[in-house]
Amino acid sequence: EVQLVESGGGLVQPGGSLRLSCAASGFTFRNSWMTWVRQAPGKGLEWVANINEDGSEKYYVDVVKGRFTISRDNAERSLFLQMSRLGVDDTGIYYCARGMTTESWGQGIVVTVSS
Amino acid sequence: DIVMTQTPLSSPVALGQPASISCRSSQSLEYSDGNTYLSWIQQRPGQPPRLLIYQISKRFSGVPDRFSGSGAGTDFTLKISRVEAEDVGFYYCLQATQFPYTFGQGTKVEI
Repeated sequence: EVQLVESGGGLVQPGGSLRLSCAASGFTFRNSWMTWVRQAPGKGLEWVANINEDGSEKYYVDVVKGRFTISRDNAERSLFLQMSRLGVDDTGIYYCARGMTTESWGQGIVVTVSS
Repeated sequence: DIVMTQTPLSSPVALGQPASISCRSSQSLEYSDGNTYLSWIQQRPGQPPRLLIYQISKRFSGVPDRFSGSGAGTDFTLKISRVEAEDVGFYYCLQATQFPYTFGQGTKVEI
């Protein structure tokens, strides 16, 4: 069974940083593109970033470029999202998902940016 | 960026009746490999999202056959043949043909 478990969320002040992690199991992680998607409170889904199998290709939505970095550790079967210069608009639930077209999703982790 | 526009944004439907959601993209979603990377995602209340349909019409593992997808180019449709209570929630189209990937605004299906 595919499992994706996000961690690392919480409350952070504007301008601060957070690092999200996603622990993967139940599939061949090193052979899978991985994705981060977020959802602001009461809003729809927003694609944030993708990373290819070996981490050599990374893509971001414009509003996070230069502030967020997606990475992965295939030996540890883990996906990461380093977020810096956070603003209130970054508040929401962050989901990690398997594949370019999000075949499986984690439960999500809450990130709150507030003073 | 490719803009995805869903209609309607809200769809009241009676149990056992069909429902249909449209998704239109601002440019063709056909990729250079000949595939079209248009997916449909379901999000039930209080739940994480779940993939229903990929590449326009392919049902993902475990998805009931009352869900079907169709379309080509820039116009796509998700149909539920007979709505069940568990189908209540939001439905999103997602294009994964061109970065940045983009979702539609979401359509609320309610009984």
